[in-house]
Amino acid sequence: DAGITQSPRHKVTETGTPVTLRCHQTENHRYMYWYRQDPGHGLRLIHYSYGVKDTDKGEVSDGYSVSRSKTEDFLLTLESATSSQTSVYFCASSPSYEQYFGPGTRLTVT
Amino acid sequence: QKEVEQDPGPLSVPEGAIVSLNCTYSNSAFQYFMWYRQYSRKGPELLMYTYSSGNKEDGRFTAQVDKSSKYISLFIRDSQPSDSATYLCAMSAFVQGAQKLVFGQGTRLTINP
Repeated sequence: DAGITQSPRHKVTETGTPVTLRCHQTENHRYMYWYRQDPGHGLRLIHYSYGVKDTDKGEVSDGYSVSRSKTEDFLLTLESATSSQTSVYFCASSPSYEQYFGPGTRLTVT
Repeated sequence: QKEVEQDPGPLSVPEGAIVSLNCTYSNSAFQYFMWYRQYSRKGPELLMYTYSSGNKEDGRFTAQVDKSSKYISLFIRDSQPSDSATYLCAMSAFVQGAQKLVFGQGTRLTINP
């Protein structure tokens, strides 16, 4: 399995506060992805990266931003958290087409 | 219509049974087809992936793709209680600089001892 870690694993935050989630991979994979998983919606792509400093939006990118300054790290920022962003967030990395997922971050916005 | 359709179940079968999980899709641009297994409160784990139509076998698991019918299947032989999980199909297409996956909703499977 690809070595992918996410931090924090659990977080509770208040509406309106900024939140940053971190994804770290040790496989030197070129591509990295952020998803959210919600009941009834499955896994949905938020943002992705196809190289250092190269990122683009997925299908549910509103309210989120990302940064990738090193191959191994991909950060997801919720600029001003809302209750609708309560979810489980997964990071994935990929050398080409197959994606390997991290353990997830459970975020609750109160 | 969703790009990928998967029956969410739940599906419950006795230990030792053959399990068949299926997905249909509508986008002809999908190139790679994958199955993930997700245990409760864990990340999805890649089980199998394939590119072409036909069958691919790995131990007790067989993935089948029929591009002409836009239909993929995962078969589990000699099912075990440890196979109890949610199974997600995923399809991949190269869009705007990267391979992007579109996931089915997932089928929750329970194997009863």
